[in-house]
Amino acid sequence: AQTVTQSQPEMSVQEAETVTLSCTYDTSESDYYLFWYKQPPSRQMILVIRQEAYKQQNATENRFSVNFQKAAKSFSLKISDSQLGDAAMYFCAYIGDSNYQLIWGAGTKLIIKP
Amino acid sequence: DAGVIQSPRHEVTEMGQEVTLRCKPISGHNSLFWYRQTMMRGLELLIYFNNNVPIDDSGMPEDRFSAKMPNASFSTLKIQPSEPRDSAVYFCASSLGVAGGGLRETQYFGPGTRLLVL
Repeated sequence: AQTVTQSQPEMSVQEAETVTLSCTYDTSESDYYLFWYKQPPSRQMILVIRQEAYKQQNATENRFSVNFQKAAKSFSLKISDSQLGDAAMYFCAYIGDSNYQLIWGAGTKLIIKP
Repeated sequence: DAGVIQSPRHEVTEMGQEVTLRCKPISGHNSLFWYRQTMMRGLELLIYFNNNVPIDDSGMPEDRFSAKMPNASFSTLKIQPSEPRDSAVYFCASSLGVAGGGLRETQYFGPGTRLLVL
C-alpha cells in the first residue's frame, strides 16, 4: 500500500526567507502524481503545485517549487520569499496510476514570523 | 471560471436532526468526491462518483450517511439522524477523471462545510 510521510509537524520561517517542507512516499507504482495542497485558517484546501512522476523537470509555480527525487521517493516543497499569507497547513498527497484515491500526509504547519 | 461550490458554509444543528450538504462541481468535471476532515482522523474519503455513478462508498461511516448525484452539476451528502461525532469539515472535490480507472487528474476542492452537531 502507498504511504505518504511528512516528518515535520511544524516549521517556522522569517518573512522574506526561504523554507523547505519535506515529504517522502512509498509506492511500487511507476506512474503517479504528487501534489502539495495548502490549507489556511479558512480551511479551504488549495492546490499549490503538482508533479507528474514521468517528468524529470521539477514543477514550479511562482515562489513555489518542488525538489522531486524519484529514486529516493522524496518530494519537498520550497517556498521562496515567504509571505505572511503563506501561513497555513501544507499537505503532501499522492495518487497512483490505477487508483482514484488521494493518499495524504499528516500535514506540516507553517508559521511565518514577521 | 467558478470553482467547486458548497453550501451551506456553516451548519449548526442538534443531535437527531437531518443535515443536507450540497455541492456543485466544476463544469465539465466528471468525478466528484466527498471528504470529511477531523483533527483526530485527518482527511477521509467518504464517497467517489464517476459520471454521476457511485463507484466507491466504502468510506461512508454508517447507514446514517447517504450521498446522491442526480446530475453532473449537483450532489448532496445527507446525514440522518446526525450525532455530535459527525461534527467536522466536509469537503466536496471534483476532477476531470479518466473513466474506467487510472484517475490522476487534479482534484479541486470546494470551501468546505463546517458542521457542528450539538
